Amino acid sequence: EVQLVESGGGLVQAGGSLRLSCVVSGRTSTTHAMSWVRQAPGRGLEWVSSITGSGSRTYYADSVKGRFTISRDDSKNTLYVQMNSLRAEDTAIYYCTNLKDTAVVDRDGVFYYYYMDVWGKGTTVTVSS
Amino acid sequence: DIQMTQSPSTLSAYVGDRVTITCRASQTISNWLAWYQQKPGKAPKLLIYRASSLESGVPSRFSGSGSGTEFTLTIASLQPDDFATYYCQQYDSSSWTFGPGTKVEVK
Repeated sequence: EVQLVESGGGLVQAGGSLRLSCVVSGRTSTTHAMSWVRQAPGRGLEWVSSITGSGSRTYYADSVKGRFTISRDDSKNTLYVQMNSLRAEDTAIYYCTNLKDTAVVDRDGVFYYYYMDVWGKGTTVTVSS
Repeated sequence: DIQMTQSPSTLSAYVGDRVTITCRASQTISNWLAWYQQKPGKAPKLLIYRASSLESGVPSRFSGSGSGTEFTLTIASLQPDDFATYYCQQYDSSSWTFGPGTKVEVK
């Protein structure tokens, strides 16, 4: 069974930086797409960023583009997100998720669709203004 | 970007009730839709993927339907463990979007 454990959260001042980590265990293959999702206090879920299994493609929500960087180190079974220029509105629980893919083949090629099948318990980031 | 809406935002029900939650996408997403359950202080849990496929280990009282822009999550007979918040999520694009959530509470 795949398990995801996040760490690195904490209290930081606005304008500061944090790096979150997510250690993956319980599977032999490391080439899975993964993502970060956050949840502000009392609010709903917001997708933050995703990275493909190879690490060659990354995707970001507009709210974090240019400030956050997702990366992975498969030798350490770890997913990261570097968060810079933090704002009060970045205060949230940050969840790491595994992305399960479905491949669809049509005349234009192969397309992958990813949903979030395994979630970590989250790590809390608080940005003080 | 694809926007997701859910209705109702809150639903009050009794144990044993049949419960239906609706999710709508701002543009067609085929059947690339998932449903998640979240309890207070816990991480979300995947219930349904590809609009109607039940995730392994999820009770069969949960079911999903729909395609295009309108989807539903149905709980056939609400159990005490089902009082929670439910989110839909589209994954048609490389920009995942969640609905605002539906809280199912005890009537």
